[in-house]
Amino acid sequence: GAGVSQSPSNKVTEKGKDVELRCDPISGHTALYWYRQSLGQGLEFLIYFQGNSAPDKSGLPSDRFSAERTGGSVSTLTIQRTQQEDSAVYLCASSLVGGGSVNNEQFFGPGTRLTVL
Amino acid sequence: KQEVTQIPAALSVPEGENLVLNCSFTDSAIYNLQWFRQDPGKGLTSLLLIQSSQREQTSGRLNASLDKSSGRSTLYIAASQPGDSATYLCAVRLNNNDMRFGAGTRLTVKP
Repeated sequence: GAGVSQSPSNKVTEKGKDVELRCDPISGHTALYWYRQSLGQGLEFLIYFQGNSAPDKSGLPSDRFSAERTGGSVSTLTIQRTQQEDSAVYLCASSLVGGGSVNNEQFFGPGTRLTVL
Repeated sequence: KQEVTQIPAALSVPEGENLVLNCSFTDSAIYNLQWFRQDPGKGLTSLLLIQSSQREQTSGRLNASLDKSSGRSTLYIAASQPGDSATYLCAVRLNNNDMRFGAGTRLTVKP
């Protein structure tokens, strides 16, 4: 695709429900990133995928959060038993490659605004 | 632990003025530094990417510099326009591919 896309753009859910957020990276980009931006706060790095692998999951805020990537393309971020503090904009980005390559510029999607009531 | 700080937090200037946004980071072991703009309710748009081996990058009215040894980067915007009003974020990529963002500078350019 022309850019990174995310769905849904907005999600309102009730506390305790599970939610699934989707990210479609730019075609051919091997690296994919998830971030969270809470109201009035900076961006918080969550997880990085190189291909289908996430070498480091320590950025995920709790064990209610999980992410997977299949086929080296689409990624889903799942939040189980949502809490009100999970309310934030969840941003996804992709880059051609990861690491120290000159082709590691990140391009961001529009985000998913999650509201937990 | 890498910390990224942006100063000032907010800036308001009249149209046409040149301005400088500052970004500092505590650990010089980075792959690169990237400047973004974020418009209200929208995602991030990449402005400039500086690799750790580079000292500056230019795109149009924007110029970004990087002094890795001192842990500083500046974003220079020439002849500012109202359309430049946005929040500007700097981010460093760590050697383990984690990214650390600053809290941003909210820029308002008044007509």
